[in-house]
Amino acid sequence: GQQLNQSPQSMFIQEGEDVSMNCTSSSIFNTWLWYKQDPGEGPVLLIALYKAGELTSNGRLTAQFGITRKDSFLNISASIPSDVGIYFCAGLAWAGSYQLTFGKGTKLSVIP
Amino acid sequence: SAVISQKPSRDICQRGTSLTIQCQVDSQVTMMFWYRQQPGQSLTLIATANQGSEATYESGFVIDKFPISRPNLTFSTLTVSNMSPEDSSIYLCSVEESGTGVETQYFGPGTRLLVL
Repeated sequence: GQQLNQSPQSMFIQEGEDVSMNCTSSSIFNTWLWYKQDPGEGPVLLIALYKAGELTSNGRLTAQFGITRKDSFLNISASIPSDVGIYFCAGLAWAGSYQLTFGKGTKLSVIP
Repeated sequence: SAVISQKPSRDICQRGTSLTIQCQVDSQVTMMFWYRQQPGQSLTLIATANQGSEATYESGFVIDKFPISRPNLTFSTLTVSNMSPEDSSIYLCSVEESGTGVETQYFGPGTRLLVL
């Protein structure tokens, strides 16, 4: 099956620092999605990317869909304590229906 | 985006029993999915809940263990049958929203299950 390699697995950063995380795959995806999951909650969609090379921002978040359709990165600028959580990348590809494959997540800790 | 609710939000169950989880969406959606998230892990697709027909299960998941109902376009249930401690997980439903050339999945808040 398709697999996503997400890195880093965890990060400890100082408040105010910028953060970058990425996902790579050997497979091509139609769509890349980035989610954030807080403890005890379901994943919340942050950014959706639909076109190769697309660069999209949502507030302090910026994500790009790789030109080869096999990778994506998410940047968070000027981190704040509420950015703490687990960030998941997910690739959406057609397999009879649209199948969503998740990365293993990046656990972000922000030190005030 | 669709608003998704799940019941119960959490439960503690005895091994050997079964639990049915409900997922309600505030709008009609074609595609609904059930995922499992084991402690500290990522999300794994259990099955696609098909309206009017049997669910489509992923490798490693079977209907006898995880029966699914989808009576209409806004509601689905997942039953975790004959539970064991290994079934302790977060169970999440999601819905797909499609537009012209774009597809996105949104998730419910999850049901946290602890099996003793």
